[in-house]
Amino acid sequence: KAGVTQTPRYLIKTRGQQVTLSCSPISGHRSVSWYQQTPGQGLQFLFEYFSETQRNKGNFPGRFSGRQFSNSRSEMNVSTLELGDSALYLCASSLRTSDTDTQYFGPGTRLTVL
Amino acid sequence: KQEVTQIPAALSVPEGENLVLNCSFTDSAIYNLQWFRQDPGKGLTSLLLIQSSQREQTSGRLNASLDKSSGRSTLYIAASQPGDSATYLCAVPSQGGSEKLVFGKGTKLTVNP
Repeated sequence: KAGVTQTPRYLIKTRGQQVTLSCSPISGHRSVSWYQQTPGQGLQFLFEYFSETQRNKGNFPGRFSGRQFSNSRSEMNVSTLELGDSALYLCASSLRTSDTDTQYFGPGTRLTVL
Repeated sequence: KQEVTQIPAALSVPEGENLVLNCSFTDSAIYNLQWFRQDPGKGLTSLLLIQSSQREQTSGRLNASLDKSSGRSTLYIAASQPGDSATYLCAVPSQGGSEKLVFGKGTKLTVNP
């Protein structure tokens, strides 16, 4: 079974631009969560989508948004990029059938904002 | 608010040594605890998930224990190898039934040949 895939793997953008990242979950998984990882803050939760609905949201500004499609693929968008948005963005998928589901992470998208 | 702490932040050991990584959390009402491994610049690999009703889980040379009452978990690595060098992270759900994980900052392990 294929793992979680994320595209693109690397991105370089300039301040003020916007970016869209994509995540394809493991087949059959309906929950997709997004995390931002930086050296200073570590891993921070952005949001979770389940059956095309946002279920949870972290403490990030409204410039960060996401969506999930009917095939469970998810995208996150960051508008008006700032230098501090440079980070590794990870998505994770799970079955979300119980409280003991393992979350499986993708390889991440490395975003650099210049 | 759930907070997760991992000590030490970095650990360097010679090959073959047995070692223990520590994880503590502030809210003991957790449903599970998960240990991950992260290689530099890469995503996270799930190592072990311990349900709240379990005391420990084993996978090969790895053994994770959970003590909810004291808010602690340990990851024991037996007979360490250079290939075990990575950052190890523990994570707990922020609240019951939530997919939102709260992570520690990790322990960076270096196993020297």
